[in-house]
Amino acid sequence: KAGVTQTPRYLIKTRGQQVTLSCSPISGHRSVSWYQQTPGQGLQFLFEYFSETQRNKGNFPGRFSGRQFSNSRSEMNVSTLELGDSALYLCASSMTRDPYEQYFGPGTRLTVT
Amino acid sequence: ILNVEQSPQSLHVQEGDSTNFTCSFPSSNFYALHWYRWETAKSPEALFVMTLNGDEKKKGRISATLNTKEGYSYLYIKGSQPEDSATYLCAFLGVNQGGKLIFGQGTELSVKP
Repeated sequence: KAGVTQTPRYLIKTRGQQVTLSCSPISGHRSVSWYQQTPGQGLQFLFEYFSETQRNKGNFPGRFSGRQFSNSRSEMNVSTLELGDSALYLCASSMTRDPYEQYFGPGTRLTVT
Repeated sequence: ILNVEQSPQSLHVQEGDSTNFTCSFPSSNFYALHWYRWETAKSPEALFVMTLNGDEKKKGRISATLNTKEGYSYLYIKGSQPEDSATYLCAFLGVNQGGKLIFGQGTELSVKP
């Protein structure tokens, strides 16, 4: 069974630009969650999507948005990039069966210059 | 704001040593406690998902215990090996939170041969 895939793996953007990251969950998984990891902050929850609906949202500004498609693939968008958005972005998928064991992708490393 | 704390922040041991880490989490609205192992340049890998007070889980040389009433979990590694070197993360899942995991900062373990 293929694991969670994320594209691209590495990305360099300039302040003020926008970026879209993609996540393909494990086949059959309907829930996708996104996390941001920055040095010293640990993994911070961004949002969770289930059946194309955002089910939970973390404490991030509105510049961070996402969506999920009917095939459960998810995209995350960050508009008006800031230097502080430089981070590793991980997505995780789960079958939504209790208690939501999550399977993580390799992450997208975003650098904002 | 939910707080999940892990200690120690880092640990350096010799091969063959046994070690343990602590994860503290809110004792109210508890649903599940996840442990993940994250090796450099790889995806976080689920170790255990624990839901019941007093639960103990074991996988090879790694085991974990859970106390939901006082809000802590211990992860034990018996006879540490260099391949155990990784960051160990715990994550709290509250009631009715879907897949919204709240992660601790992690314990970075380094095992020297």
